[in-house]
Amino acid sequence: AQTVTQSQPEMSVQEAETVTLSCTYDTSESDYYLFWYKQPPSRQMILVIRQEAYKQQNATENRFSVNFQKAAKSFSLKISDSQLGDAAMYFCVLQPTGANSKLTFGKGITLSVRP
Amino acid sequence: KAGVTQTPRYLIKTRGQQVTLSCSPISGHRSVSWYQQTPGQGLQFLFEYFSETQRNKGNFPGRFSGRQFSNSRSEMNVSTLELGDSALYLCASSSTGGVQSSQFFGPGTRLTVL
Repeated sequence: AQTVTQSQPEMSVQEAETVTLSCTYDTSESDYYLFWYKQPPSRQMILVIRQEAYKQQNATENRFSVNFQKAAKSFSLKISDSQLGDAAMYFCVLQPTGANSKLTFGKGITLSVRP
Repeated sequence: KAGVTQTPRYLIKTRGQQVTLSCSPISGHRSVSWYQQTPGQGLQFLFEYFSETQRNKGNFPGRFSGRQFSNSRSEMNVSTLELGDSALYLCASSSTGGVQSSQFFGPGTRLTVL
């Protein structure tokens, strides 16, 4: 079984500032991927960034980067230069690479951006 | 390329009825997964279909079923609706369903059970 925990239900950030969203997970799988998905209000869920667990290098996508600590089972998302369009619910997601490759979502965190 | 489409977008049913939701994946994608999203439980995996076969299944009762057609379109059926089935139902498609291919989500069908 696998679990994903996002302990902060809400966060707020000033426009142009940096914010970090936390996530911890647990899995017995030896190989897996981790993702951050974004769900804006009344809009479709979109993939923000992905991290392959066997890679030590942290993934980056423009203003989005992750801090992946495999031993600690921690996977945080850093958003730099926050923009109003970053306001959304963010989900931390785990997917094993094996046959049972279903996605396991955290509860999500609502990020608001103050102008 | 057109994105993932789901129909209908909104649905109101009463307890005991059954409902069928439809999902059309991105052209060329062979995997379709279904998720239930509620404020209390968050996002929970229902099942995944790949090439017309159910490949993975979540922990939902047998009232929840699905199928996939040869054109990769998928339907999800819920029989004997209960109030707790009120939720946003999301489908996601990917080319293979594994971690090698990202999942693309549809806008969802919001089901309200009265």
